[in-house]
Amino acid sequence: EAGVAQSPRYKIIEKRQSVAFWCNPISGHATLYWYQQILGQGPKLLIQFQNNGVVDDSQLPKDRFSAERLKGVDSTLKIQPAKLEDSAVYLCASSPLRGPDREGGNTIYFGEGSWLTVV
Amino acid sequence: AQSVAQPEDQVNVAEGNPLTVKCTYSVSGNPYLFWYVQYPNRGLQFLLKYITGDNLVKGSYGFEAEFNKSQTSFHLKKPSALVSDSALYFCALRGRGKFQFGAGTQVVVTP
Repeated sequence: EAGVAQSPRYKIIEKRQSVAFWCNPISGHATLYWYQQILGQGPKLLIQFQNNGVVDDSQLPKDRFSAERLKGVDSTLKIQPAKLEDSAVYLCASSPLRGPDREGGNTIYFGEGSWLTVV
Repeated sequence: AQSVAQPEDQVNVAEGNPLTVKCTYSVSGNPYLFWYVQYPNRGLQFLLKYITGDNLVKGSYGFEAEFNKSQTSFHLKKPSALVSDSALYFCALRGRGKFQFGAGTQVVVTP
């Protein structure tokens, strides 16, 4: 089974520029997450989708960050304009719909991450 | 409000010795608890989880974790650590649809 795919793996941009990250979740997973992980810290949820609807975006800096999941499958996270403090790893993850717990029922599976450096 | 804590920033252990990484939690209702590992320049990999049932959960790479409801803990253990176990370990709590991570514990296993 293919895992969560993310691209690009690495990106260096100047402050005030824009960047976009793409994610393709595990096939059949209805829930998709974007996390931000700053060096030395745990992942922080930016946005959670269920199918193509937003479940939680309470920690998404909406003045500069946006995300979409138009057809309920892959997703794009955009930052515009970028700030120095946006330097982090952006992790995409997916999980099946919550329900009777079977193997992996409530587990979140992560991609390898997109590493952003803003200079 | 729910929370998850990893009280140790770093754990140092000699190869072959037992490894324990601590995690405590707070949540109303039944906890769903997870452990993930992150190797340098990689994403998070799922190790094991506790949903219900046996308090001792076995996972990948020889790791296991013990759920203790009275102490609200979910410590990760490995009987004999390997140098290759050196990585960043995250405890996570799922409650009311939210998935929350601890700050992480860096494990250093020395030969």
